[in-house]
Amino acid sequence: EVQMVESGGGLVQPGGSLRLSCAASGFTFSDYYMSWVRQAPGKGLEWVAKIMRDGSEKYYVDSVKGRFTISRDNAKNSLYLQMSSLRAEDTAVYYCARGGYRRFDNWGQGTLVTVSS
Amino acid sequence: DIQMTQSPSSLSASVGDRVTITCQANQDISNCLNWYQQKPGKAPKLLIYDVSTLEAGVPSRFSGGGSGTDFSFTISSLQPEDFATYYCQQCDNRRITFGQGTRLEIK
Repeated sequence: EVQMVESGGGLVQPGGSLRLSCAASGFTFSDYYMSWVRQAPGKGLEWVAKIMRDGSEKYYVDSVKGRFTISRDNAKNSLYLQMSSLRAEDTAVYYCARGGYRRFDNWGQGTLVTVSS
Repeated sequence: DIQMTQSPSSLSASVGDRVTITCQANQDISNCLNWYQQKPGKAPKLLIYDVSTLEAGVPSRFSGGGSGTDFSFTISSLQPEDFATYYCQQCDNRRITFGQGTRLEIK
């Protein structure tokens, strides 16, 4: 069974940093693009970042470029999102999603990040 | 970035109704258009990819169509479990974008 489990969310002050992790299982992790998608409270879905199978290319939504870094460890079947200079508008549930080349066919349950003083 | 305009933003319908949601891109996205269903407190679920291909296990009452810049998503006969929020998503560009969502409510 394909499964992704996110962790690392929590409350952080504006300007702070946080690292999200996603542990994947049930599929060959290195065969897939992986992405982060977020959803602010009561709002729609927003793609945040994606990373190629071997980690050689990464793409970001403009609003997080220079502040967030996506990475992966194929040996550990894990995806990461390092977030810095966090703002109130980054408050959201962050989903780890399998895919990003064309579609997201499996999603984790999400982890909530709250940026507030 | 490619902008996706989804309509309507909300829709009230009854069990058994046929409903259609549209999604318009501000430039040609070929056939790279997907549809997702999201229920409250849950992760999104892929229903249709590449405009009209049903994901495995998705009931045939769901369908998609369109090309170029204009796309549609139809539920032929609404079931109680279909009341949810639906999103389109384009993948033609390296930077992926979603529509604003359509909340489907029970009339």
